[in-house]
Amino acid sequence: GAVVSQHPSRVICKSGTSVKIECRSLDFQATTMFWYRQFPKQSLMLMATSNEGSKATYEQGVEKDKFLINHASLTLSTLTVTSAHPEDSSFYICSARGGAGAKNIQYFGAGTRLSVL
Amino acid sequence: AQTVTQSQPEMSVQEAETVTLSCTYDTSESNYYLFWYKQPPSRQMILVIRQEAYKQQNATENRFSVNFQKAAKSFSLKISDSQLGDTAMYFCAFMIHINFGNEKLTFGTGTRLTIIP
Repeated sequence: GAVVSQHPSRVICKSGTSVKIECRSLDFQATTMFWYRQFPKQSLMLMATSNEGSKATYEQGVEKDKFLINHASLTLSTLTVTSAHPEDSSFYICSARGGAGAKNIQYFGAGTRLSVL
Repeated sequence: AQTVTQSQPEMSVQEAETVTLSCTYDTSESNYYLFWYKQPPSRQMILVIRQEAYKQQNATENRFSVNFQKAAKSFSLKISDSQLGDTAMYFCAFMIHINFGNEKLTFGTGTRLTIIP
């Protein structure tokens, strides 16, 4: 149980285009999902927290208009990188947390490697 | 702000031996949770073990156990009978229970563990 699916696993796009990444909880309802960014050989940095049906909470320094997050259902959250530029190239990882009985555990997707040319 | 420190960037150990990864954290909170996650070459983050700060008993999961020293703010991970599949990046993580739906994970910088055949 507790499987989180993230798609695509890798995406290459041209500068100026937008890219959408999906994060799905396959066997549980995720009231809260999280989006992280990981630079090469570095740790995970939280970008935003998204709760189903409400606006995402962004961490300081993360541009809301560039990284659009939608959590429209209990099993799906999406991250859209708008007008992507080479500096947005990174590894993006989502995680999902279940309901009150989920013991504060976040289950992670396999990540998306974004390369902006 | 909470910080998590992993002072060992890299470690290696012979297969079947025991290895201990160190982690210290800094917080003024009393109610929190600690985690160890592993990130193998596939980049999939996998939960290894979880500890609740109010529990004095150290958590164990098969070959994995922790030494939780609350006063010293230390949370080390011991891997017994290490296996080749344990080769991965290990991240120590901290979470304050702020309120439901807003529980942030703060990660350490990671320890790259290599199990030598």
